[in-house]
Amino acid sequence: AQSVTQPDIHITVSEGASLELRCNYSYGATPYLFWYVQSPGQGLQLLLKYFSGDTLVQGIKGFEAEFKRSQSSFNLRKPSVHWSDAAEYFCAVGEGRGGSEKLVFGKGTKLTVNP
Amino acid sequence: DAGITQSPRHKVTETGTPVTLRCHQTENHRYMYWYRQDPGHGLRLIHYSYGVKDTDKGEVSDGYSVSRSKTEDFLLTLESATSSQTSVYFCASRDSSGNTIYFGEGSWLTVV
Repeated sequence: AQSVTQPDIHITVSEGASLELRCNYSYGATPYLFWYVQSPGQGLQLLLKYFSGDTLVQGIKGFEAEFKRSQSSFNLRKPSVHWSDAAEYFCAVGEGRGGSEKLVFGKGTKLTVNP
Repeated sequence: DAGITQSPRHKVTETGTPVTLRCHQTENHRYMYWYRQDPGHGLRLIHYSYGVKDTDKGEVSDGYSVSRSKTEDFLLTLESATSSQTSVYFCASRDSSGNTIYFGEGSWLTVV
């Protein structure tokens, strides 16, 4: 079965600083990878996804992620964090029929943004 | 967004009672899911459906059942609620071509 590891449970950054959230996955073939964001009391919103092709993927809200097969990683980055980015971030890998029939999630990274 | 509506959004129930959570989607998506979210565990799949009357178990299916009699509705039933089922439950749906799963707003369930 696939698995996803998000090594950092909680990260604190200052507003305007750069951000990188780590994600490692285990999967034998080329994975379908996703990043979701969850604001307090809300559902999950898709930030970006990788299926194939260019390994640098652009998403919404100024986020990007880079797929590195050699490191089994799909890290999320943002060059300058805004206070509204404070939320919990989940990395996920698709599995099942077609490679994305269902998602396996990491345990999440909570982001705090200091003014 | 996939127009996913969950009901109820908040519920408190007693141990041993049956509980049904409803998920309704308006996008005619083939796939629907129920996940639960718990601190330190992220989201874990309970059950999913790949069509009307077609369902399968997920990672944490014990104590739960599902039904899907119409494309737009996916019901999750806790047959006899226990305190360990206190959680936030998320419904999701996915179309067969988009490969993207969309989530509802969640249902907060407390079992006392």
